[in-house]
Amino acid sequence: GAGVSQSPSNKVTEKGKDVELRCDPISGHTALYWYRQSLGQGLEFLIYFQGNSAPDKSGLPSDRFSAERTGGSVSTLTIQRTQQEDSAVYLCASSDFSGLPHYEQYFGPGTRLTVT
Amino acid sequence: AQSVTQPDIHITVSEGASLELRCNYSYGATPYLFWYVQSPGQGLQLLLKYFSGDTLVQGIKGFEAEFKRSQSSFNLRKPSVHWSDAAEYFCAVGAAGSARQLTFGSGTQLTVLP
Repeated sequence: GAGVSQSPSNKVTEKGKDVELRCDPISGHTALYWYRQSLGQGLEFLIYFQGNSAPDKSGLPSDRFSAERTGGSVSTLTIQRTQQEDSAVYLCASSDFSGLPHYEQYFGPGTRLTVT
Repeated sequence: AQSVTQPDIHITVSEGASLELRCNYSYGATPYLFWYVQSPGQGLQLLLKYFSGDTLVQGIKGFEAEFKRSQSSFNLRKPSVHWSDAAEYFCAVGAAGSARQLTFGSGTQLTVLP
């Protein structure tokens, strides 16, 4: 495929609802990352996958946030019981983990989440 | 833990003028350093990166950056700015450990005057 794709591009949800955000990485990229971009907070790392496993979940802000990756490809970020402070742009990136030092991350266009 | 500081929140330059965006990092070992650009409604695009070797790195769109270890800086430069360069610019440092996450600065918004 061309690049990293994310869906939906925009999502408006009511406070308390669950949402799922999807990321399709570049074909063949083994590493996948989720970041959150909030007004006034900049870009925050959320979680990183190598294959289907997540060795680093340190950035997930609460237990309402979870993510999975299947088949070493598509990833889903789930936010349960959304809160207004979850409103942000959620960015996904992927990289070729085949070796150092080449681990340039390629970013998708993001999903803009608005919690009303 | 690593950190990145971009001291300028907003910079305005005239088209054709030179540009320098500042970036300071904090990291215990040799850093992996990146500059990304984000246009409105777009994802982040990599401009250039530094891993090792020559401290002056060239990137796309006529940008360059210089790694100065003594100053813990990785400033982005362009000799002549074009109106299409108006965007937000992010400096980032990569961890050498297994996580390989990027830590971003807060960004610098660039406005280009005609």
